[in-house]
Amino acid sequence: GAGVSQSPRYKVAKRGQDVALRCDPISGHVSLFWYQQALGQGPEFLTYFQNEAQLDKSGLPSDRFFAERPEGSVSTLKIQRTQQEDSAVYLCASSSLEGEQFFGPGTRLTVL
Amino acid sequence: QQQVKQSPQSLIVQKGGIPIINCAYENTAFDYFPWYQQFPGKGPALLIAIRPDVSEKKEGRFTISFNKSAKQFSLHIMDSQPGDSATYFCAASHPTGGGNKLTFGTGTQLKVEL
Repeated sequence: GAGVSQSPRYKVAKRGQDVALRCDPISGHVSLFWYQQALGQGPEFLTYFQNEAQLDKSGLPSDRFFAERPEGSVSTLKIQRTQQEDSAVYLCASSSLEGEQFFGPGTRLTVL
Repeated sequence: QQQVKQSPQSLIVQKGGIPIINCAYENTAFDYFPWYQQFPGKGPALLIAIRPDVSEKKEGRFTISFNKSAKQFSLHIMDSQPGDSATYFCAASHPTGGGNKLTFGTGTQLKVEL
């Protein structure tokens, strides 16, 4: 049970399709974050969960983006009606409460 | 609005050199300043972090210098090696009651040549 895992690693979607990205955090980690990393840029915060509660979703760019963590473990980031500007790497990180954030390898989303 | 500004965008040094990467922040509520290393196809990995109550922290070949009054901090890599070639990100966070979300700089691509 090493680190944070994410799936799929790569996703190609046609514009307008819905996608779902999965994050498996480190076991026992209370906190879970999603970040979006555009090419050549630093990661940007999207949303934060503490257990199953979504405490901060201030970084979600539009109402097409939705995240959930129903049982306080695995999380899914869903993007509806994908647009070309959604193309990016989506990173998930988990931590103990206010501890160091450990990042997964990311999912590279390409919208054609 | 970019809350953490990072420079340079790219850097090339010779093996054994000491690359220095600089960051400046605006939000005085930030109280945690980590540096991350990212290799292609991988997620960022924490290298070293500092809080504003100290001016310097060393871990192995990595040193953070912190200047609270200037709202600046920097990363020094001693005796750099080709394996240090990666992208480096500074970041900052503050407790919001909703987790320590990180605000990242734009990154520095470091290449260490033999």
